[in-house]
Amino acid sequence: AQTVTQSQPEMSVQEAETVTLSCTYDTSESDYYLFWYKQPPSRQMILVIRQEAYKQQNATENRFSVNFQKAAKSFSLKISDSQLGDAAMYFCAYKGGGADGLTFGKGTHLIIQP
Amino acid sequence: KAGVTQTPRYLIKTRGQQVTLSCSPISGHRSVSWYQQTPGQGLQFLFEYFSETQRNKGNFPGRFSGRQFSNSRSEMNVSTLELGDSALYLCASSFGTLRTDNTEAFFGQGTRLTVV
Repeated sequence: AQTVTQSQPEMSVQEAETVTLSCTYDTSESDYYLFWYKQPPSRQMILVIRQEAYKQQNATENRFSVNFQKAAKSFSLKISDSQLGDAAMYFCAYKGGGADGLTFGKGTHLIIQP
Repeated sequence: KAGVTQTPRYLIKTRGQQVTLSCSPISGHRSVSWYQQTPGQGLQFLFEYFSETQRNKGNFPGRFSGRQFSNSRSEMNVSTLELGDSALYLCASSFGTLRTDNTEAFFGQGTRLTVV
């Protein structure tokens, strides 16, 4: 079974600074997808960024980018120019070809200091 | 375009009762999946429905069941409720199936179930 590990339960960053959230995963599959989801206090999960494993180029969405290292099974999220609205729980998620839906990490609570 | 709607938002039930939660996906989406979120276990996949058929199921007891209607709306049912079933239940919809399609899964705001 696949596992997703987020080793940072909580991170704090100053507004306008850059922060990187870590995620590692374990899988024997070669074709899969990785996601970062944001869950603000409203509890609604919002997709931040998506990476297809067959693509070598790292995904980027405005201030959000990933560092995808397939051999190392690492998928970190970099948030540039942090804003107060970025404060939330961030979940790393894996989806493969199996029958288990999305596998989520335990989450990282991101605090933005004004 | 309306988002994913889950009802009710909050629910309080007594041990031993059963409960039914509802999820209306985004118009045109045929896949609905359900997740349980607890502080201890995090987010866990329950099951996924596509075109009224259960395609995938997570590691949950048979007390957890679901169904999908022809309009893609989905319900999940939990029978003989236990205190440990207290959780946020999230529903997600997407155009395709989770198994074969990587289109974005849009989540609802969840149903907060408290079992007392």
